[in-house]
Amino acid sequence: DIQMTQSPSSLSASVGDRVIITCRASQNINNYLNWYQHKPGKAPKLLMYTASSLQNGVPSRFSGSGSGTDFTLIISSLQPEDFATYYCLQTKNTPHTFGQGTKLEIK
Amino acid sequence: EVQLVESGGGLVQPGRSLRLSCTTSGFIFAETSISWFRQAPEKGLEWLGVVRAKPYGGASEYAASVKGRFTISRDDSKSVAYLQMDSLKTEDTALYHCSTHITGPGSRWFDPWGQGTLVTVSS
Repeated sequence: DIQMTQSPSSLSASVGDRVIITCRASQNINNYLNWYQHKPGKAPKLLMYTASSLQNGVPSRFSGSGSGTDFTLIISSLQPEDFATYYCLQTKNTPHTFGQGTKLEIK
Repeated sequence: EVQLVESGGGLVQPGRSLRLSCTTSGFIFAETSISWFRQAPEKGLEWLGVVRAKPYGGASEYAASVKGRFTISRDDSKSVAYLQMDSLKTEDTALYHCSTHITGPGSRWFDPWGQGTLVTVSS
């Protein structure tokens, strides 16, 4: 199985901060990498697909990069509604596997 | 608008069974593979398995944690996918979601997701 290592596991930040979350795959997954935002009791929301493609309706302050084994999600200027948990997901092979999650909290 | 609505959750005793439904609308269900996911309390998201659309073979695949206990199926005439859960354990307590597979050039993603249905396994 492909292991996804996501860091940090938690992060305290302020509105307006730039935030970087990373994800590393245990083997080459090309661009089969998605990023999701998840708030408690809600449906996970797709932010980025194919590592760097912004989903329709997602603000441009979100961006993604990477290919192969190393990937990054950047939020350029945090807004109050961005405080949530973020997950990477590899869809190269089954079983599809998530990173452990990054809980983004208000400082 | 694409919509997925999960139902069938509830309180069940260990060792018993439960069947969840994923009722869909707004897309061609018969051509779309469906995956199930869950999030246990204080845990991360977990992919459970997929039922592929007939054009893609129609087979199901499962995560090791549920293989042999859970079965994913579909009824294309009703646009509904199912998650049959047998021999339930307390660690199966979670919010269960379904989602559609979308395939693009050199990639694959899941969107949208349903709001989820809560399963509690307890005596």
